[in-house]
Amino acid sequence: DTGVSQDPRHKITKRGQNVTFRCDPISEHNRLYWYRQTLGQGPEFLTYFQNEAQLEKSRLLSDRFSAERPKGSFSTLEIQRTEQGDSAMYLCASSHAGDGAYEQYFGPGTRLTVT
Amino acid sequence: GQSLEQPSEVTAVEGAIVQINCTYQTSGFYGLSWYQQHDGGAPTFLSYNALDGLEETGRFSSFLSRSDSYGYLLLQELQMKDSASYFCAVRGGGGNKLTFGTGTQLKVEL
Repeated sequence: DTGVSQDPRHKITKRGQNVTFRCDPISEHNRLYWYRQTLGQGPEFLTYFQNEAQLEKSRLLSDRFSAERPKGSFSTLEIQRTEQGDSAMYLCASSHAGDGAYEQYFGPGTRLTVT
Repeated sequence: GQSLEQPSEVTAVEGAIVQINCTYQTSGFYGLSWYQQHDGGAPTFLSYNALDGLEETGRFSSFLSRSDSYGYLLLQELQMKDSASYFCAVRGGGGNKLTFGTGTQLKVEL
């Protein structure tokens, strides 16, 4: 397995447009996480899945954000009606269940720029 | 909620030893992880401590004191390639998410 992959790597969009990102985790990992990172900050938790179930969602996540993991494999993160404040690096990570939460494997990220 | 504090920047010379401290506040603490991130790269896992004491992995060691809500990452025999940001991350609050600190930028100089 080649690790966690994310697509696209870069996305430039105009304010008000919808965008969707994809994450393919390490195949044997049943947990998948989404984070957002801005310059000079650590990754900020958005949501996570165990298999296809979305088990936790950040209270900071507005209703414009939605994530799915329909078959317990890849996941998508959609942002509707993008705003300039959504500009950030969106990171996906995967891990084993249980104590695997400590050791998460991150993908290269999708850099979103909202103009 | 959870909060973590770490120094924003540390500078050291090649071959030296450096310690990056992290203090945290959280409910339902499960453990403390450390991640390294090079500019433009993804965070990569270094170490974690669930119990008090020192964990050693090659040139890197991590320490935890649960009673003091404190941990540190120790990097020995520093190399130029160790120049990166280092994040402590706490798993707490009864969930399985990690809450990351703001990171410490380590600069290794000749």
